[in-house]
Amino acid sequence: GESVGLHLPTLSVQEGDNSIINCAYSNSASDYFIWYKQESGKGPQFIIDIRSNMDKRQGQRVTVLLNKTVKHLSLQIAATQPGDSAVYFCAEIPLYSGNTGKLIFGQGTTLQVKP
Amino acid sequence: DGGITQSPKYLFRKEGQNVTLSCEQNLNHDAMYWYRQDPGQGLRLIYYSQIVNDFQKGDIAEGYSVSREKKESFPLTVTSAQKNPTAFYLCASSRSDYFSGNTIYFGEGSWLTVV
Repeated sequence: GESVGLHLPTLSVQEGDNSIINCAYSNSASDYFIWYKQESGKGPQFIIDIRSNMDKRQGQRVTVLLNKTVKHLSLQIAATQPGDSAVYFCAEIPLYSGNTGKLIFGQGTTLQVKP
Repeated sequence: DGGITQSPKYLFRKEGQNVTLSCEQNLNHDAMYWYRQDPGQGLRLIYYSQIVNDFQKGDIAEGYSVSREKKESFPLTVTSAQKNPTAFYLCASSRSDYFSGNTIYFGEGSWLTVV
């Protein structure tokens, strides 16, 4: 399953399928991007990050792809599990932010995993 | 255990009242942040502080005030000037000498409702 974070806020996938969550970021000066997972009523949890000098980074069951030309970020989750159900946010940090947590968050995509 | 503690978890405010949300961290982090989250939306930065006795406005500071008298504490006051305060408020902290997505710690959040 695939979604564009800004236009399709909910993505529903079958357990075991791969999920692709998309995000269009706003600031061409951003050089650091992060994906967070947020469960209802809790704070965001870090999933994976990527710097602007890379176009792909892999973690455990997750891959982040960065396309700076079109300012697009995606999160791929392999073999989606029920525990992956949550809201997923992309966040960016512009170059001028320095070493601060001045994150700029996207609107988020809700991932629903069907058993 | 090290972490961030926000209180109260749920708070109700009457029209015209000021309320203060507490945020305490024992991570020895220099930097602290307050974010606001509306339903179905990403987080937006209200205020941040990189060092004791210093803080800066974020993107939506109007109607809010903060103080940073101690390293471990960063309370947020929602004043009567904030016309639409009903939201989920998240406090976070990080090191100030180096930032990465997995070194910013978020609290569990506080729900504020105007009644």
